[in-house]
Amino acid sequence: AQKVTQAQTEISVVEKEDVTLDCVYETRDTTYYLFWYKQPPSGELVFLIRRNSFDEQNEISGRYSWNFQKSTSSFNFTITASQVVDSAVYFCALSVNFGNEKLTFGTGTRLTIIP
Amino acid sequence: ETGVTQSPTHLIKTRGQQVTLRCSSQSGHNTVSWYQQALGQGPQFIFQYYREEENGRGNFPPRFSGLQFPNYSSELNVNALELDDSALYLCASSLVTSTEQYFGPGTRLTVT
Repeated sequence: AQKVTQAQTEISVVEKEDVTLDCVYETRDTTYYLFWYKQPPSGELVFLIRRNSFDEQNEISGRYSWNFQKSTSSFNFTITASQVVDSAVYFCALSVNFGNEKLTFGTGTRLTIIP
Repeated sequence: ETGVTQSPTHLIKTRGQQVTLRCSSQSGHNTVSWYQQALGQGPQFIFQYYREEENGRGNFPPRFSGLQFPNYSSELNVNALELDDSALYLCASSLVTSTEQYFGPGTRLTVT
C-alpha cells in the first residue's frame, strides 16, 4: 500500500520569507509518480508538478522549487519570497499507475502568508 | 481554470436519501476519477472510469456508484446517505496515457 505523510499541519510565515513544505512517501513499487497540488479556498485542486521516480533532478519554476530525494523518500516543496497569493492548502500525492488509476494524497499543509 | 466543471456546487440531503453528482471533463479527456475530501483531510480515491467502465476503485462501499457517458462526462451516485458522507466531492479528468489529473471545483455535500 502507498502512504504519503505531510507532518506540517499548518505553517505561517511573513510575506517575502522562504518556506519549505515537507512530504514523505512510502511505496514498494520501483516506478511511481509524485505530485504537488495547491487548493485555494475555492476548493479546486491546482496541479503544480509531477516527478517520475527515475528522475531525481530537482526542478525550479519561478519562485517554486522541488527537492526529490529517493534515499529519504522525500519530495519537498519550497516557495521563495512568499506572497499572500500563496496562501492555500498544499497536498503532496503519489501514484504507482501510469494511467493514474489512483492518487494517494497526504493530509495537506495549510500555508498562511502574513502581509 | 482546468475546464472541468461540476454540478451542483452545494447540496444538502437527509440521511437515507440518494444523491447524484455530475462532472464534465476537460475537452479531449477520456478518463474521469472521483475523490471524496472530508473536512481537514486529503482527497480519498473513490473510483475511476475509462471508456464507460470502472477502471479501479478505492475503499468505498457499493452504495457509491458511477457512470461515464459517451461524451466522457460522469455521474457519482450515493445511495442510503450517511452523516459521514458529508464532504467535498472532487472530479478529475485526464487522458489514460497521462499521469496528470485536472480537478474540478467540487461539490460540497452536507448530510443532515
